[in-house]
Amino acid sequence: DGGITQSPKYLFRKEGQNVTLSCEQNLNHDAMYWYRQDPGQGLRLIYYSQIVNDFQKGDIAEGYSVSREKKESFPLTVTSAQKNPTAFYLCASRSDRIPYNEQFFGPGTRLTVL
Amino acid sequence: AQSVTQLDSQVPVFEEAPVELRCNYSSSVSVYLFWYVQYPNQGLQLLLKYLSGSTLVKGINGFEAEFNKSQTSFHLRKPSVHISDTAEYFCAVTSGTYKYIFGTGTRLKVLA
Repeated sequence: DGGITQSPKYLFRKEGQNVTLSCEQNLNHDAMYWYRQDPGQGLRLIYYSQIVNDFQKGDIAEGYSVSREKKESFPLTVTSAQKNPTAFYLCASRSDRIPYNEQFFGPGTRLTVL
Repeated sequence: AQSVTQLDSQVPVFEEAPVELRCNYSSSVSVYLFWYVQYPNQGLQLLLKYLSGSTLVKGINGFEAEFNKSQTSFHLRKPSVHISDTAEYFCAVTSGTYKYIFGTGTRLKVLA
């Protein structure tokens, strides 16, 4: 079955540590996204990538980094510079066929800072 | 700039009653509209979408929505809810760029 996988489902980080969240898709989508979800705030865009080796900052990119070395993969690193990283992180992808269609979402990773 | 407003943060409703979840958007260009559902600790799942054509859109699980361009609204409706519909619902909009704007969500609580 085609879809998006995220791992791990739960992640715990100590203060000062960098952690990397995995996102893989087998939908052959060009565009991939990372969102952060906090209670009552909806989804906020961290980074997005339209094609391999290219990505753009979203609304809340500070303290995060990404890479897009393969079409299928878009890992997110939460760095020690992110002062409040505890949140639910969602990865998404989208086909580039016109008309532009919906995003497909992974199951999410819940990050907790200890 | 685009924006999405979900007017109700929480909506309690009794089982088998009808429900409407409201969504209003702001945009200076044509938009594509979506409703997603999220169950606890899961990702978002598409309920329905409006891209063009008929303004009444039918989705999964008996949900439907009506696109009203003059009122810039895209309200979600279901004529009879079930306990299993308890979840958070998000409205989203895009103008065809890579960016999607999401509302802050509406928690639907179906009561027995």
